[in-house]
Order: sequence, then C-alpha cells, then structure tokens
Amino acid sequence: AQTVTQSQPEMSVQEAETVTLSCTYDTSENNYYLFWYKQPPSRQMILVIRQEAYKQQNATENRFSVNFQKAAKSFSLKISDSQLGDTAMYFCAFMKLQGAQKLVFGQGTRLTINP
Amino acid sequence: GAVVSQHPSWVICKSGTSVKIECRSLDFQATTMFWYRQFPKQSLMLMATSNEGSKATYEQGVEKDKFLINHASLTLSTLTVTSAHPEDSSFYICSVLPGQGVETQYFGPGTRLLVL
Repeated sequence: AQTVTQSQPEMSVQEAETVTLSCTYDTSENNYYLFWYKQPPSRQMILVIRQEAYKQQNATENRFSVNFQKAAKSFSLKISDSQLGDTAMYFCAFMKLQGAQKLVFGQGTRLTINP
Repeated sequence: GAVVSQHPSWVICKSGTSVKIECRSLDFQATTMFWYRQFPKQSLMLMATSNEGSKATYEQGVEKDKFLINHASLTLSTLTVTSAHPEDSSFYICSVLPGQGVETQYFGPGTRLLVL
C-alpha cells in the first residue's frame, strides 16, 4: 500500500517570500504520478501541479515548482513570490498508473500568506 | 482541466431521510469517478470508486447499503445517503478521472450535508 506524509501541519510566510512545502511517499510502484492540490477556504480542490515519475525534469507552473527526488521518494512544492491568494490547505497526492487509479492523499499543510 | 459540477452545494435534512448528490463531468466523458468525504481540518477520505455501467467499488469500512452510488452515464454519478443520521454530516466531494491520456483527477466543488 502507498502512503503519503506531509510533516508540516501549518506554515506561515510573508507576502512575496518563497516557501517550500514538504512531502514524502512510500511505494513499490515504478509508474505513478504525484500531485499537489490546493484547497482554499471555498473548499474547492484545485490542481496546482503534476509530476510524472518517469520524467526526471521537475515540473513547473508559473510561480509553482517541485523538487522531485525519486530515489528519496520526496516531492516538495516551492511557491515563489507568494501571494495572499495562495493561502490555503495544500495536499500532496500519489496515484499509481496500474490497476485502480486512486489518489492517496497526505494529511495536508495549512499555508498562510501574511500581508 | 476538466470542469466538474455537484448538486446541491449544500443540503440540510432530517434524520432518517435520504439525500441524493449529483456529480457531473461537463466537458469530459469519464468512465471513472470517485467519491470522497472530508471532515473539518482533515484530508480527503476516499469512499468509493464509481465505474460507468458497473457496480461501485467501496473502500474498507464504507457501508455499501448506506452510501448508494450509481454511475448511470459517462457524465453523471450519484451518491445517495440513505436513512441519514447526524454522524453522516460532512463535506462530500466527487472527482472525475477523464482517462485516455488525461491521468489527473479533477474535483467538483463539494456538497455540505447537515443532518438534524
């Protein structure tokens, strides 16, 4: 079974700063995807970024980038030039490609961006 | 990404009644949809995988007779909470897995259920 661990329950930074959220996972699978989802106060789950495990290059989406270390089973999210609208719960998630394609979520990190 | 709707967005019902929640994929046909439950300040808990044209696959500990799932078409899945009780009060979220090269789940806005 796969597990995903987010060791930072809460984080808080000033606007415009850079922040990194940690995520580690455990799996015996070789083909899988990793995701970061954002859940703002509206509770709508929003995809932030996706990483395919077979790709060595780290995914980036504008101010969001990941540091994917496959051997270490680590998948951190870096938010650059943080904005007030980035305030949300952030969930790291794992999905294997073979068989049941269920998402396995971490516990979440509550990120607050202060003005 | 895929656009997913849920209806209703919130519902209040009396104990003992049944409540139906609809999840629609608006721009993708999805053979697979998922239903989650989320308690305050907690992560999402997968309840079941909804497969078009076949029976849903429930996670361990989820009562099949309590949470009825019907995936009637490639764009619609419904979750019915039967004989609801206050402990069923929660936030229910569906997601769509478009497949066919789109291996990402997209989520609906969620339904808040309060059972009195």
